[in-house]
Amino acid sequence: AQSVTQPDIHITVSEGASLELRCNYSYGATPYLFWYVQSPGQGLQLLLKYFSGDTLVQGIKGFEAEFKRSQSSFNLRKPSVHWSDAAEYFCAVGARQAGTALIFGKGTTLSVSS
Amino acid sequence: GAVVSQHPSRVICKSGTSVKIECRSLDFQATTMFWYRQFPKQSLMLMATSNEGSKATYEQGVEKDKFLINHASLTLSTLTVTSAHPEDSSFYICSARDRGVFTEAFFGQGTRLTVV
Repeated sequence: AQSVTQPDIHITVSEGASLELRCNYSYGATPYLFWYVQSPGQGLQLLLKYFSGDTLVQGIKGFEAEFKRSQSSFNLRKPSVHWSDAAEYFCAVGARQAGTALIFGKGTTLSVSS
Repeated sequence: GAVVSQHPSRVICKSGTSVKIECRSLDFQATTMFWYRQFPKQSLMLMATSNEGSKATYEQGVEKDKFLINHASLTLSTLTVTSAHPEDSSFYICSARDRGVFTEAFFGQGTRLTVV
């Protein structure tokens, strides 16, 4: 079955500390992986995506993610968290074709403490 | 980047009435659009896949007669919640991917539906 697992429901990080959000996937075909961020009551904003090539991808707002095929993981990282990073983060997997929907994980809520 | 516009952002309606939500791709053609529903503090659940010029494909458990989807053009898909009830209150989000491969999905701003 195709699925995305985000093991951490809620994470609290001190401002300035590093962050890692975990994502594991199960997908039958070659996975195309995404991380989105959602602020309360808002739509989703793409942070970064992995299609192929370099397994370490850089995104917006200082985020990066590393694709590890052997571990079926695509963890999101940021070296220094800012208070404005507090939001809901979703990992998603999809097929290469545009006609297929993305499958989302349940999300991780990030809180940032001062 | 590509933009998907969703309207309205918020709507309150009376129980028993119908509500239409529009989703437009502003600078690309989307042969396929997707409708998701999100409950508070939960993930996005795919409701249906909307294909231009053909009937939508609904996910298991989604009532197609309650959630009518029309995709009349390459830039517009609509979701109509018919005979809305309080349990239909939710956050609805549309999404579209540009044609071709290696494309990301762009999301609308979402619609907060409250049925009173």
